[in-house]
Amino acid sequence: NAGVTQTPKFQVLKTGQSMTLQCAQDMNHNSMYWYRQDPGMGLRLIYYSASEGTTDKGEVPNGYNVSRLNKREFSLRLESAAPSQTSVYFCATTDRGNYGYTFGSGTRLTVV
Amino acid sequence: QKEVEQNSGPLSVPEGAIASLNCTYSDRGSQSFFWYRQYSGKSPELIMSIYSNGDKEDGRFTAQLNKASQYVSLLIRDSQPSDSATYLCAGSPSGGYNKLIFGAGTRLAVHP
Repeated sequence: NAGVTQTPKFQVLKTGQSMTLQCAQDMNHNSMYWYRQDPGMGLRLIYYSASEGTTDKGEVPNGYNVSRLNKREFSLRLESAAPSQTSVYFCATTDRGNYGYTFGSGTRLTVV
Repeated sequence: QKEVEQNSGPLSVPEGAIASLNCTYSDRGSQSFFWYRQYSGKSPELIMSIYSNGDKEDGRFTAQLNKASQYVSLLIRDSQPSDSATYLCAGSPSGGYNKLIFGAGTRLAVHP
């Protein structure tokens, strides 16, 4: 039982390159989230998917796109990476908000 | 802008002492609150949730919620060096579909 799996764990991109961060869960949760974590700023919501087939913007969506491929998978795409997108990215899931989130292990992205 | 505020610390306590971590929130409609522990380089791990005014105890941890004062706290009794981590406070805002707003975290250092 893997829980929430994120790939890759580390990535270095050059400015302007694109990439997709993958998140898959085997917890049968409806809701999935992408957060970024920067020093001193805590976790900030990029995009979320309340249920399969729906996606919505969070607090910091600019420069990102998402796809909820099916109930298990929620991907985050950077079309043209910028140094300001250097961060640690976490995927999280929940079935009900009252139960809190389960987080993936994170992707550490550096854009040079 | 709905916010969750925490003192960044570090909060330094001796082994065996009580560590007190505090959090305030701006959205008076928030219903659910969570404390996550995050070790350096790792993902956040849920340790406590609280929904009603008062105290909730789980082992060495006690969460306290005061909705009138918009204040949440976490007490760690008999602190151990293994408790040294960053503690994130999160609230579920009114009108948000299971979205959590996180504070920037308080770093706790327990010294022998």
